[in-house]
Amino acid sequence: NAGVTQTPKFRILKIGQSMTLQCTQDMNHNYMYWYRQDPGMGLKLIYYSVGAGITDKGEVPNGYNVSRSTTEDFPLRLELAAPSQTSVYFCASSYEKGRAYNSPLHFGNGTRLTVT
Amino acid sequence: AQSVTQPDIHITVSEGASLELRCNYSYGATPYLFWYVQSPGQGLQLLLKYFSGDTLVQGIKGFEAEFKRSQSSFNLRKPSVHWSDAAEYFCAVGARGGGNKLTFGTGTQLKVEL
Repeated sequence: NAGVTQTPKFRILKIGQSMTLQCTQDMNHNYMYWYRQDPGMGLKLIYYSVGAGITDKGEVPNGYNVSRSTTEDFPLRLELAAPSQTSVYFCASSYEKGRAYNSPLHFGNGTRLTVT
Repeated sequence: AQSVTQPDIHITVSEGASLELRCNYSYGATPYLFWYVQSPGQGLQLLLKYFSGDTLVQGIKGFEAEFKRSQSSFNLRKPSVHWSDAAEYFCAVGARGGGNKLTFGTGTQLKVEL
């Protein structure tokens, strides 16, 4: 059981370049999330999705885009990379059924991105 | 808006000593509360969670946490720390029916002295 898989593990980008961080999960979770982690700042929510075709902004969405065409995949797109986007990015998934049940978030191992 | 405060950035304990990591939250109703652990270069692993019921919850690796509504706290404890517990620990709060959008604290880095 792979859980949440993120690719690539590491990436160096030049300012202005674009890239897509890939995330896939095999647990049939309806919710998926992208967080970024910066030293001393904890994790900040970038975007999340409650199901295929539905996405919404989190706390720090500027400079990013997402799509959710399938239940399994939730890619994160950086269009014009900036040094402020140097961070570790985590994808996560969970299952929620209204107020009746929330599963904990399951995290991938992260993508370490450097923009220079 | 919900928020989480972890007042201790770094904590150092001796192996075999007891541990308590502090977490205070702000949320208008009864929250979902979580503790996650992150080893270097890894993602976050769930230690334990509180949804409802018994306010003392048991987790993996011998950890426990107690939900105290009157103090808005959810402190993590372990009676005897092992060297392998050295890691970063995150407390998180989530809203019921709120899309599981967790708000994380800034983390506590635990160092274990042998």
